[in-house]
Amino acid sequence: EAGVAQSPRYKIIEKRQSVAFWCNPISGHATLYWYQQILGQGPKLLIQFQNNGVVDDSQLPKDRFSAERLKGVDSTLKIQPAKLEDSAVYLCASTNTDTQYFGPGTRLTVL
Amino acid sequence: GEDVEQSLFLSVREGDSSVINCTYTDSSSTYLYWYKQEPGAGLQLLTYIFSNMDMKQDQRLTVLLNKKDKHLSLRIADTQTGDSAIYFCAERDDYKLSFGAGTTVTVRA
Repeated sequence: EAGVAQSPRYKIIEKRQSVAFWCNPISGHATLYWYQQILGQGPKLLIQFQNNGVVDDSQLPKDRFSAERLKGVDSTLKIQPAKLEDSAVYLCASTNTDTQYFGPGTRLTVL
Repeated sequence: GEDVEQSLFLSVREGDSSVINCTYTDSSSTYLYWYKQEPGAGLQLLTYIFSNMDMKQDQRLTVLLNKKDKHLSLRIADTQTGDSAIYFCAERDDYKLSFGAGTTVTVRA
C-alpha cells in the first residue's frame, strides 16, 4: 500500500513570497490533516478535512494560510505571503480509522 | 504540545533497554500514541494504546499507561543503533492529536 505522498520535499523562498504544498493521502482515506512542525517541537494541527469539507481550521492563520481539498482526495496548502516564522516542516497525514499515517513532509525555509 | 510533556534527551548504550516517559493532561484522551521520526523523514507510527488498557507489548516495544497519573511510557528492549531517532508521544481527544516536543534518543556503542 502506498503511503502519504507530499511534494515538494524542500522549498526555499524569500519572505513575502507565496508557496504551495501538495499532499496525496493513502487511497481510501477520508480524513486528511495538515500539521506544522517547527524545529525542536512536535507537530501542531493546522487543518483537518473530512472528504472535501473542513472539520477544524481553528489553528490555521487564515490571514496568510489557505488549504483546499476540492475532490476529497488530494489537498494543497498555500502560504501567501510567507513570513520568517513560517519556516518549518509541513506534514500531511491521513486516516480512515484510529491511526494517522504521515507523509515525509515539506521542509520550508523562508529567508 | 503544551498538554503533553516529554524529557528532551535520552542516551542509552546499545543492547540496553530504553525507557521514554510522557505525561499528558487530558483525562478524556481515548488513545495514546508513540511515533518515531528519523532525520528528514515524517512520523512513523510505532504503537498505540487504548485508554482502558494498562499495558501493550509488541515485539521489542512495551507501552505502559498509568491513567490515574496520566503517565505513559515506552520501553524499547535491546536498543539498537537504528533506534536512534526522535520519539513523540501523542494523545488523542475526539479526532485531534496533541504531540509532545519529542525525546531525542541517542544509542551509543
